[in-house]
Amino acid sequence: GESVGLHLPTLSVQEGDNSIINCAYSNSASDYFIWYKQESGKGPQFIIDIRSNMDKRQGQRVTVLLNKTVKHLSLQIAATQPGDSAVYFCAERFSGGYQKVTFGIGTKLQVIP
Amino acid sequence: EAGVVQSPRYKIIEKKQPVAFWCNPISGHNTLYWYLQNLGQGPELLIRYENEEAVDDSQLPKDRFSAERLKGVDSTLKIQPAELGDSAVYLCASSSDNTDTQYFGPGTRLTVL
Repeated sequence: GESVGLHLPTLSVQEGDNSIINCAYSNSASDYFIWYKQESGKGPQFIIDIRSNMDKRQGQRVTVLLNKTVKHLSLQIAATQPGDSAVYFCAERFSGGYQKVTFGIGTKLQVIP
Repeated sequence: EAGVVQSPRYKIIEKKQPVAFWCNPISGHNTLYWYLQNLGQGPELLIRYENEEAVDDSQLPKDRFSAERLKGVDSTLKIQPAELGDSAVYLCASSSDNTDTQYFGPGTRLTVL
């Protein structure tokens, strides 16, 4: 399953399938991007990050892709599990000033058993 | 290693009353952040501390919000007087000099009646 970020805030995926969560970031001067997972009643939890000098980074079952040309970020989750159900936020850090991190509005991932 | 600790977890107050939130960051993390998170939205930065210095408080509504981190460790965020629109989750996060990764606490859910 695949989301289009701001235009589809909820993504439903069958257990075992791959999930793709998309994010359009706003600032071409951002140099660092992070994906967070937030479960109900908890604070955001770091998943994976990527710097602007890279276009792909892999973790355990997760891959982040960065396309600076179109200012697009995606999070791919392989073999989605019920425990992956949460809201996923992308965040960008602007390289100037105080290096403030700005969060997107999030995408809710629902895993269907 | 203990994570970021916040208290209280929940707080219900009547409007015009004062309220305070407490945060204990991860040991050794010199950067501390306070965020506000409204339902269904991403966290929004209120203030960022480097040790005991507030280096970015541009988004803190200073007429009613205040924060302190006197010894560069624990921090408190205060609202006086609280308004109905202040109902939200207040998140604290911390990071170290050696990494850009922010670690979040569970948050304090504030309800103003």
